Amino acid sequence: GAGVSQTPSNKVTEKGKYVELRCDPISGHTALYWYRQSLGQGPEFLIYFQGTGAADDSGLPNDRFFAVRPEGSVSTLKIQRTERGDSAVYLCASSFERGRSIADTQYFGPGTRLTVL
Amino acid sequence: DAKTTQPNSMESNEEEPVHLPCNHSTISGTDYIHWYRQLPSQGPEYVIHGLTSNVNNRMASLAIAEDRKSSTLILHRATLRDAAVYYCILRDVIGSARQLTFGSGTQLTVLP
Repeated sequence: GAGVSQTPSNKVTEKGKYVELRCDPISGHTALYWYRQSLGQGPEFLIYFQGTGAADDSGLPNDRFFAVRPEGSVSTLKIQRTERGDSAVYLCASSFERGRSIADTQYFGPGTRLTVL
Repeated sequence: DAKTTQPNSMESNEEEPVHLPCNHSTISGTDYIHWYRQLPSQGPEYVIHGLTSNVNNRMASLAIAEDRKSSTLILHRATLRDAAVYYCILRDVIGSARQLTFGSGTQLTVLP
């Protein structure tokens, strides 16, 4: 079956511009995560959705970052007034969470490489 | 959150076993040990997880020390496609945080 997909695969923008990154999770997965990965480092958590609501947004670095998941499926990560430091690979993951099971596997997309010039 | 320590890099010869170590001396009784790996230009993928007992699946084996302060991911016959960054991650079963907390991982190079 189809895995997690992310579009675009690459995005180049200029400092100060607005960008939107899209994530299509695996069908039926209730949980969706956004992570950010800088070169040479492991992914860092940004935000977690359970259904339509953001259950944990503690990883968002500042108020320029915002994410939505209006119908509990596709999610969009929005970055306003982009800065050069926002350049990174943005990863999306989804999982089918069964209650409190910590064993729920997260399935990752290939990521969107964002470059802010 | 309890932290993990892994070597920055390791090398292995193709078709030989690989033992990837992870130290987690401050692990709590409710922490599961998870391993993910990230192939070049891809998102991370799940490998295996365990709590106390050793675990086997089609990808790898996980050996957990009796005191749970360390664990080892074992690839029984490394292939070139196993070249990746391997992450050892602790997940608290009763904590509220659902996200994965990645460290820097171990970069595994497989030599032909």
